[in-house]
Amino acid sequence: DAGITQSPRHKVTETGTPVTLRCHQTENHRYMYWYRQDPGHGLRLIHYSYGVKDTDKGEVSDGYSVSRSKTEDFLLTLESATSSQTSVYFCAISDQYGEAFFGQGTRLTVV
Amino acid sequence: GQQLNQSPQSMFIQEGEDVSMNCTSSSIFNTWLWYKQDPGEGPVLLIALYKAGELTSNGRLTTQFGITRKDSFLNISASIPSDVGIYFCAGQPKAAGNKLTFGGGTRVLVKP
Repeated sequence: DAGITQSPRHKVTETGTPVTLRCHQTENHRYMYWYRQDPGHGLRLIHYSYGVKDTDKGEVSDGYSVSRSKTEDFLLTLESATSSQTSVYFCAISDQYGEAFFGQGTRLTVV
Repeated sequence: GQQLNQSPQSMFIQEGEDVSMNCTSSSIFNTWLWYKQDPGEGPVLLIALYKAGELTSNGRLTTQFGITRKDSFLNISASIPSDVGIYFCAGQPKAAGNKLTFGGGTRVLVKP
């Protein structure tokens, strides 16, 4: 298994509260991604990183921010969680060849 | 943004049957990847394709990267119950570094 750890694995939070999801890798890969997966929408890219402190938006970035202060950690923050952000969030990593490997996912419920 | 159209959206299989699914795009992709996702798990990489026209086999899986770099298919021969799951194609656009775009997935189910 690729060395990717997502935490927490499950979280229930209230509308309006901030939430941070963490992705940790031990593979020293340059690229890291956050996706969300919802029924009928497949996997949609939220943000990605192409190096320490280098990030860019994906197709569904509104309401999310990210930070990458170290190669191994990529944080996804929901500044003020909404019910539409209830989803399963996946972190992925890849090297320069483009083969991405996924974490186990975080199931987030916003009530 | 980039769009990957994957078909069929779902399909039923009977053990022993061959399965086929494909992905098309209006844009050129540098790399094509095929993933399988089991319930409650993250997607797992099955096969990666890098060269236009490349035909690759991995056990019962056969996949090809279209010559125009705009399409790919995945065939599974002699399906078995553990082939059930969701299959995703993914592409890395030529001009977008390592930013992957995913198709909507093909859900493979067992015939009742």
